[in-house]
Amino acid sequence: AQSVTQLDSHVSVSEGTPVLLRCNYSSSYSPSLFWYVQHPNKGLQLLLKYTSAATLVKGINGFEAEFKKSETSFHLTKPSAHMSDAAEYFCVVSPINTGTASKLTFGTGTRLQVTL
Amino acid sequence: GAGVSQSPSNKVTEKGKDVELRCDPISGHTALYWYRQSLGQGLEFLIYFQGNSAPDKSGLPSDRFSAERTGGSVSTLTIQRTQQEDSAVYLCASSLGRGTEQYFGPGTRLTVT
Repeated sequence: AQSVTQLDSHVSVSEGTPVLLRCNYSSSYSPSLFWYVQHPNKGLQLLLKYTSAATLVKGINGFEAEFKKSETSFHLTKPSAHMSDAAEYFCVVSPINTGTASKLTFGTGTRLQVTL
Repeated sequence: GAGVSQSPSNKVTEKGKDVELRCDPISGHTALYWYRQSLGQGLEFLIYFQGNSAPDKSGLPSDRFSAERTGGSVSTLTIQRTQQEDSAVYLCASSLGRGTEQYFGPGTRLTVT
């Protein structure tokens, strides 16, 4: 069984300030973890992924996330928010080494608002 | 290169009618997935294809839902006797194989009136 919990449904930051979107996961297997972003009326875009290599993962648009097994967390961060970062962000888990389909399990999403 | 495409982008149908949603995956991607995004349920997995076979149909909500994939490429998701609770955005994704990155299409917004 696998699940993800996104701790905040909505986060508001000022442009130029740091972003922190929190995610905790649960998985019976060694997980793959992802962050996807969805802009209004657009498809889902992969920001970054963790697949048991380096625990600090860098993604597109200046985002990064750190896999912390002891805390079962995979929080998404960015040093300085930009107006174009306003979107819905999804933390996603997928099992690896199960021999079955890698269906993705999505968190409920965090809506990021960026203000001037 | 071309990404995952889905058609139609929007579909409005009357309750009780059947609908077909189409997905064209990225060329060469052997794995194809269907997901549903709705207000009450978030993003849910529906079905997974590896080639033309569907080893995991565990997410299909009822026997009114079915999907097929032909030629290892295009997939069709069919919903029979649509109900209002079927209203959602249906997303398709494809990947090179099991466990690799999934690329999503723009979705089909289904509204059942």
